[in-house]
Amino acid sequence: NAGVTQTPKFRVLKTGQSMTLLCAQDMNHEYMYWYRQDPGMGLRLIHYSVGEGTTAKGEVPDGYNVSRLKKQNFLLGLESAAPSQTSVYFCASSYPETFTNYGYTFGSGTRLTVV
Amino acid sequence: ELKVEQNPLFLSMQEGKNYTIYCNYSTTSDRLYWYRQDPGKSLESLFVLLSNGAVKQEGRLMASLDTKARLSTLHITAAVHDLSATYFCAVDIRAGNTPLVFGKGTRLSVIA
Repeated sequence: NAGVTQTPKFRVLKTGQSMTLLCAQDMNHEYMYWYRQDPGMGLRLIHYSVGEGTTAKGEVPDGYNVSRLKKQNFLLGLESAAPSQTSVYFCASSYPETFTNYGYTFGSGTRLTVV
Repeated sequence: ELKVEQNPLFLSMQEGKNYTIYCNYSTTSDRLYWYRQDPGKSLESLFVLLSNGAVKQEGRLMASLDTKARLSTLHITAAVHDLSATYFCAVDIRAGNTPLVFGKGTRLSVIA
């Protein structure tokens, strides 16, 4: 059971380039989330999804887009990368019936550097 | 807007000593989660606190929740080097299934 898998694990982009981060879970979780982690800032929510075909904005959505075409996948896109998007990105998922008792399952993270 | 504040943000403590990390939040909630993160790694669930007065213990760590004070504590007893990590609290402000709001984390360093 792989849990939550993020690809890629590391990436360096030039300013203005685009890329997509993939989050895949095999636990049949309904809810999926993208957070970014910056030094001294904790984890801040970018976007989240409560089911296939649905997405919602979080605290810091600007510069990002997301899609949830399949239940198991949640994609985070950067259309035109900026140095301010240099961060570690974490995907997480949860299942409604077990969220309260178990919280999130996190992926291993993607370290993105924009130069 | 929910705010979650942890203090201290940095903590250097000697092995064998006790200390407490505090997590305050600004909105009514009775669900609070503690996570641990080792350097360069992902977050690992430590404790889930689901009611006022809840107390959970695992080894040298004990977490508690006071919903009336909107405060959770993570107490470290007789610290050892293996406890060096960053600890996050996260609050759920609605009845589950909504995004958690995280504190900024407490970076703990246990030194000999």
